Amino acid sequence: QSVLTQPPSVSGAPGQRVTISCTGSSSNIGARYDVHWYQQLPGTAPKLLIYGNNNRPSGVPDRFSGSKSGTSASLAITGLQAEDEADYYCQSYDSSLSGSVIFGGGTKLTVL
Amino acid sequence: QVQLVESGGGVVQPGRSLRLSCAASGFIFSSFAIHWVRQAPGKGLEWVAVISSHGYDKYYADSLKGRFTISRDNSNNTLYLQMNSLRADDTAVYFCARDRNPGSHYNGMDVWGQGTTVTVSS
Repeated sequence: QSVLTQPPSVSGAPGQRVTISCTGSSSNIGARYDVHWYQQLPGTAPKLLIYGNNNRPSGVPDRFSGSKSGTSASLAITGLQAEDEADYYCQSYDSSLSGSVIFGGGTKLTVL
Repeated sequence: QVQLVESGGGVVQPGRSLRLSCAASGFIFSSFAIHWVRQAPGKGLEWVAVISSHGYDKYYADSLKGRFTISRDNSNNTLYLQMNSLRADDTAVYFCARDRNPGSHYNGMDVWGQGTTVTVSS
């Protein structure tokens, strides 16, 4: 059971917009810790997609965007493409845990 | 180019130990905190540990209960994970990952290795 809750799966047709939610609590996202998002293509290492809630690293298309409000965060993908089919993870920090780094359980995005 | 390469994985019997390594290149290794993250077969990402740039500060996932130790050798640009009393549920791909900004480990992980597989089985 992850401290950050994500839907197990989402899907969308090419060209559509999808969102992936990441729900936390007052000891993590609600405590104003940043949220980061990672994309993991099948059989590969994760890739940083969004950092600091809503910032894209160089090379990440602007079709990907992040937002945060209260105890939740969201990843939005517009103009869905076949190559976006992957697992997506949110990550933040929790003041109640000694190590503090936490991941969401992951969301499988299927492009129909 | 900026790169992290893990090694040291393999098949190990329950209760035994294993040490993983992560060799860094292409950046000033001693300036960045580095994490270990693992992924059990078919499961999600699980954070394991992080070590500060100078190596003095170390943090671990509560679930590890003192069995794992993270360390680094900045003179050789290498990160380590010593894993003791291994159990079947430690079976996973282990990734090392660089924290994005120097100075802390709260910035996101921007460089990842390809992972090394650890299988704990008799």
